[in-house]
Amino acid sequence: GQNIDQPTEMTATEGAIVQINCTYQTSGFNGLFWYQQHAGEAPTFLSYNVLDGLEEKGRFSSFLSRSKGYSYLLLKELQMKDSASYLCAVETGANNLFFGTGTRLTVIP
Amino acid sequence: DAGVTQSPTHLIKTRGQQVTLRCSPISGHKSVSWYQQVLGQGPQFIFQYYEKEERGRGNFPDRFSARQFPNYSSELNVNALLLGDSALYLCASSLAGGPDTQYFGPGTRLTVL
Repeated sequence: GQNIDQPTEMTATEGAIVQINCTYQTSGFNGLFWYQQHAGEAPTFLSYNVLDGLEEKGRFSSFLSRSKGYSYLLLKELQMKDSASYLCAVETGANNLFFGTGTRLTVIP
Repeated sequence: DAGVTQSPTHLIKTRGQQVTLRCSPISGHKSVSWYQQVLGQGPQFIFQYYEKEERGRGNFPDRFSARQFPNYSSELNVNALLLGDSALYLCASSLAGGPDTQYFGPGTRLTVL
């Protein structure tokens, strides 16, 4: 079967750094995505990793290890607006994303 | 440029009824995928269409069907609605039919009573 594991909830302080981990076991792998989703809104694309290593984009970075079935999303200089759910998703087939249940991040002052 | 648009925004139906949800992809995008997101869960893949052909189907019953039109817009149909079909239905578009970044629309919130 297919499975993606992420922590259910995390809390971090404004200005700090937080790392959200994701482990996956899927039948196919074309790449790994991270999406941000505010309550009641659609997921917004954050990052895409297809090769091992770190991808940096402003305050957000994403890391992938295909051999370990592991990824993390790193958020730096946290802001209150970063409070949201963060979804890890594996593209198992063409345009077929298998999502985890998401990590709800709360940023506190 | 406009992003992915979906209509209607909200919908209330009763058990046994049928519903049609609509999606217009980003201009230039030829692939549309549909997802169901139940409250507190991640989105679950339903269908993918590329160039008007079905390219992928998730683990959903035959009550769910979809199609893509020549202008690349798409419709998702659900027949014989069940209470468990209550969810946010998301449409995502991408440029091509292969591995590619998908951009999501705002979704249609369906409530089945």
